[in-house]
Amino acid sequence: GNSVTQMEGPVTLSEEAFLTINCTYTATGYPSLFWYVQYPGEGLQLLLKATKADDKGSNKGFEATYRKETTSFHLEKGSVQVSDSAVYFCALPRGSARQLTFGSGTQLTVLP
Amino acid sequence: DGGITQSPKYLFRKEGQNVTLSCEQNLNHDAMYWYRQDPGQGLRLIYYSQIVNDFQKGDIAEGYSVSREKKESFPLTVTSAQKNPTAFYLCASSRGEHDNEQFFGPGTRLTVL
Repeated sequence: GNSVTQMEGPVTLSEEAFLTINCTYTATGYPSLFWYVQYPGEGLQLLLKATKADDKGSNKGFEATYRKETTSFHLEKGSVQVSDSAVYFCALPRGSARQLTFGSGTQLTVLP
Repeated sequence: DGGITQSPKYLFRKEGQNVTLSCEQNLNHDAMYWYRQDPGQGLRLIYYSQIVNDFQKGDIAEGYSVSREKKESFPLTVTSAQKNPTAFYLCASSRGEHDNEQFFGPGTRLTVL
């Protein structure tokens, strides 16, 4: 079935630094890809998604491009803020089942 | 506003007791899901339901039970058979079609005393 491998954390950056969190996937066909964010003590929120190859999802300054050549969906942000401190999850549909499979999560801490 | 509510936010139980976690959604979604999250780890699927009166086991269903009598409600019971129930429990819903994103509730933190 489909699977996702996510960059291990934790990641610690200074405010205004550039962020990259790597995500690679194995999938049949070209399913939608998702990035979720989880702030401390809360549930997950959809951050962005891409529904087909070469699409770029973007939200709140974050971007990720669906690259079929490298089977990747890396999350990037040009200038992180303290408020971006959270856990980030990459996800994709689990094969033919109507479920999502999630990466292990990457903890990001941004220092002032 | 449409969304998913979970209650309570914090729950304490004694060993040997069953406890039920509530999950309600007003998004008119067909599918609902329960996940378990342990500290520093990802999400593991406990149960899911694609339609009313039907549900399937996920990856770690042992020691848990669910019901889906109404479209908007998907309660999870953590039974005394669950050996290590202390965790953060997340409920989610989706339109149920393939490729749909899931929407999550705020979570319930269960602690066994």
